[in-house]
Amino acid sequence: EADIYQTPRYLVIGTGKKITLECSQTMGHDKMYWYQQDPGMELHLIHYSYGVNSTEKGDLSSESTVSRIRTEHFPLTLESARPSHTSQYLCASSELNTDTQYFGPGTRLTVL
Amino acid sequence: AQKITQTQPGMFVQEKEAVTLDCTYDTSDQSYGLFWYKQPSSGEMIFLIYQGSYDEQNATEGRYSLNFQKARKSANLVISASQLGDSAMYFCAMREDTGANSKLTFGKGITLSVRP
Repeated sequence: EADIYQTPRYLVIGTGKKITLECSQTMGHDKMYWYQQDPGMELHLIHYSYGVNSTEKGDLSSESTVSRIRTEHFPLTLESARPSHTSQYLCASSELNTDTQYFGPGTRLTVL
Repeated sequence: AQKITQTQPGMFVQEKEAVTLDCTYDTSDQSYGLFWYKQPSSGEMIFLIYQGSYDEQNATEGRYSLNFQKARKSANLVISASQLGDSAMYFCAMREDTGANSKLTFGKGITLSVRP
């Protein structure tokens, strides 16, 4: 059973606000990921990290930024939210030399 | 070109029957991995099953099995004895690039509805 947590689960916010989506895992996994998913659609990788102080952009361009200061924590920040950022954001983690990713419950973001 | 193709429209199955969800993939790598995830309406992604490209046996996990046909590049998920709780979206995914640089590419997903 994976122990990966995301907060908040739901967020409704106005345009122009700065937001941070939290993701934490207690499994000691080196690799962490952020995906963006519109309802009923596929997942798109927007950021990933192979360890502390490592961050990379994913396949889908995103205006968000991430940081990895601690192994267990991988927050995602939007400096100025826009309606086009409305989506579900899923965080995942995996061990360094395995491929199975374990996902958090997701954050459903709505920007008005 | 799409690396993972899931083209079935919404699938329906009667409770207690088996159902097959199709997935084809495209890669030139010799070493790769294939995954299936389940996503209920609550939104979380649940890992179901994994098949490595060098695995000779089809993977099985409880009621889930993966029908791996390497020459056809297909990795279909078979769910036996369907339950109402199996109603969800199902995503096929592929890992290329072994080791620390590996990432997953997901298909568009298939919606499965189990009828009582």
